Amino acid sequence: DIQMTESPSSLSAVVGDRVTITCQASQDISNHLNWYQQKPGKAPKLLIYGASNLETGVSSRFSGAGSGSDFTFTISNLRPEDIATYYCQQYHNVPYTFGQGTKLEIE
Amino acid sequence: QVQLQQSGPGLVRPSQTLSLTCAISGDSVSSSLAAWNWIRQSPSRGLEWLGRTYYRSTWYNDYAVSVRSRITINSDTSKNQFSLQLNSVTPDDTALYYCARDHAGLDSWGQGTLVTVSS
Repeated sequence: DIQMTESPSSLSAVVGDRVTITCQASQDISNHLNWYQQKPGKAPKLLIYGASNLETGVSSRFSGAGSGSDFTFTISNLRPEDIATYYCQQYHNVPYTFGQGTKLEIE
Repeated sequence: QVQLQQSGPGLVRPSQTLSLTCAISGDSVSSSLAAWNWIRQSPSRGLEWLGRTYYRSTWYNDYAVSVRSRITINSDTSKNQFSLQLNSVTPDDTALYYCARDHAGLDSWGQGTLVTVSS
């Protein structure tokens, strides 16, 4: 199975900040990576697919980059409603695998 | 807009079978552009993909190795739904179970079903 490692595991930032989360795959996965946002009590929500493509209806403050084994996810102009846990997920091979999540808090 | 509605019991006895159903609206279980997945989430395992079913002129299934001997995912075209069966459950199978559509990402999810395995 492909292992996905996210960092940091938790992050505290100020409203208006730019925050970046990294995700590393245990092997080359091309651009076969998605990013999700999960709020408490809710199912994950797709934000970015194919490493850098913004899902329809998702704020342009969210962006993704990378290919191969190293990826980044960025939130610009952080807002209070961005409090959530963020996950990366590879779909290069089955089984699909997820990172362990980055919990974002607002200071 | 695609909507997935999950149903099934929240309590299953050890060694019994966990059965969940995911009813689809706004898409077809036999769509050639989608795959239909089951995923679970627990504090110990995080988000764990369990398997999928999809139609590409014939039906295909993929399963996670960790549950391959115990899992079956079926589709029902007459009801436009798909289902999960997980046999011989143990307390380690206690988790929040989700169904999800894979269409350029897992873009639609069910509401989740908390399944507790306990006697």
